[in-house]
Amino acid sequence: EPEVTQTPSHQVTQMGQEVILRCVPISNHLYFYWYRQILGQKVEFLVSFYNNEISEKSEIFDDQFSVERPDGSNFTLKIRSTKLEDSAMYFCASSESGQGFAGELFFGEGSRLTVL
Amino acid sequence: AQSVTQLGSHVSVSEGALVLLRCNYSSSVPPYLFWYVQYPNQGLQLLLKYTSAATLVKGINGFEAEFKKSETSFHLTKPSAHMSDAAEYFCAVSPPRNSGNTPLVFGKGTRLSVIA
Repeated sequence: EPEVTQTPSHQVTQMGQEVILRCVPISNHLYFYWYRQILGQKVEFLVSFYNNEISEKSEIFDDQFSVERPDGSNFTLKIRSTKLEDSAMYFCASSESGQGFAGELFFGEGSRLTVL
Repeated sequence: AQSVTQLGSHVSVSEGALVLLRCNYSSSVPPYLFWYVQYPNQGLQLLLKYTSAATLVKGINGFEAEFKKSETSFHLTKPSAHMSDAAEYFCAVSPPRNSGNTPLVFGKGTRLSVIA
């Protein structure tokens, strides 16, 4: 069964360092998303991506964050200079159709980021 | 704007007992509603969704949920809990069709424990 895969499963980094989280969405999907969940809090939307550009982003997704689909298969989230409050589980998701059409989102297992 | 409230961060039931996980939503327009489940060390998986058809929605693994507009609720139930149901459950809301690629808004999640 097709699935969304994320790497790494867990990354520990020092404050101020750059981090890249990688995702391989399901191959025929067109919409891509990043969500995050700080321990004990809600799953929060970060950004959606369609047709090689950001279609929507939340206020969390500031200039420290960027997304890229460099090669047609990977979808990456970069945090340029990590802060302690970036520690969270980051989920990648993809869907065949956009969420506004009740398309099902398929989520990866998440990448846990710990910033020290 | 949409929002979701899940009552109870942790619910514990005996094996064979009724499972009831509560979700109330707030939406200015008739919403689409979803329940996702996260098993340990796995990604979020769609359990079921409401998209303005039947108000009683059946999902995988014997779960179902009923959309009650008058109560702005979408509670998740299962008649008889299995040990394998132990997981984190997330309620989510999105605007309906033709609202574009608008992100899902998640609740904080409810951890279900099943006691033998």
